[in-house]
Amino acid sequence: GAVVSQHPSRVICKSGTSVKIECRSLDFQATTMFWYRQFPKKSLMLMATSNEGSKATYEQGVEKDKFLINHASLTLSTLTVTSAHPEDSSFYICSASSGRQIYFGNGTRLTVT
Amino acid sequence: QQQVKQSPQSLIVQKGGIPIINCAYENTAFDYFPWYQQFPGKGPALLIAIRPDVSEKKEGRFTISFNKSAKQFSLHIMDSQPGDSATYFCAAAGTGANNLFFGTGTRLTVIP
Repeated sequence: GAVVSQHPSRVICKSGTSVKIECRSLDFQATTMFWYRQFPKKSLMLMATSNEGSKATYEQGVEKDKFLINHASLTLSTLTVTSAHPEDSSFYICSASSGRQIYFGNGTRLTVT
Repeated sequence: QQQVKQSPQSLIVQKGGIPIINCAYENTAFDYFPWYQQFPGKGPALLIAIRPDVSEKKEGRFTISFNKSAKQFSLHIMDSQPGDSATYFCAAAGTGANNLFFGTGTRLTVIP
């Protein structure tokens, strides 16, 4: 199946710093990528839809100035958590669509100390 | 509002058993219903998906049953193995859309 690569898999940062997470579709072009957040033992919560060459569409309640999304090419979307705080600690997962099939990255465990 | 309702929350079966996970939806615009398997610390992996024009789809030991009139679909795992122990999510997407609405997940444990 299609491969979506997410990097880094784990990151620990200090409160107030920013963290960038990359999501790449390795063997297909993805005009749309999605960013999710998952709390322990919970389902995936859609944060935003990332569209190549245009602004991301954020879900209600998600701060666009805090979670900056850039989709500069058909194979790369980035999520930057700005001025991170301990409550931003979570598992962040991206996905990309190839036709109607949607593939996920392996997630990024963010810990803010 | 939970667009896709999933049950049970957790499930324990013996090796060789057939766990069944059920999902229900309300939005008749949904036309794509995938199931994902997630191991701890990993992203969800697409297992199998179905469209509403068929009532059943089988891939290996995994079978989806779909009841369009009842707006329900379920995942059956035949001859379950301890390696199947994971969290399973059903999901749905609307016509022409690729943003998935996920169920709340079912944590499956297969006892050797």
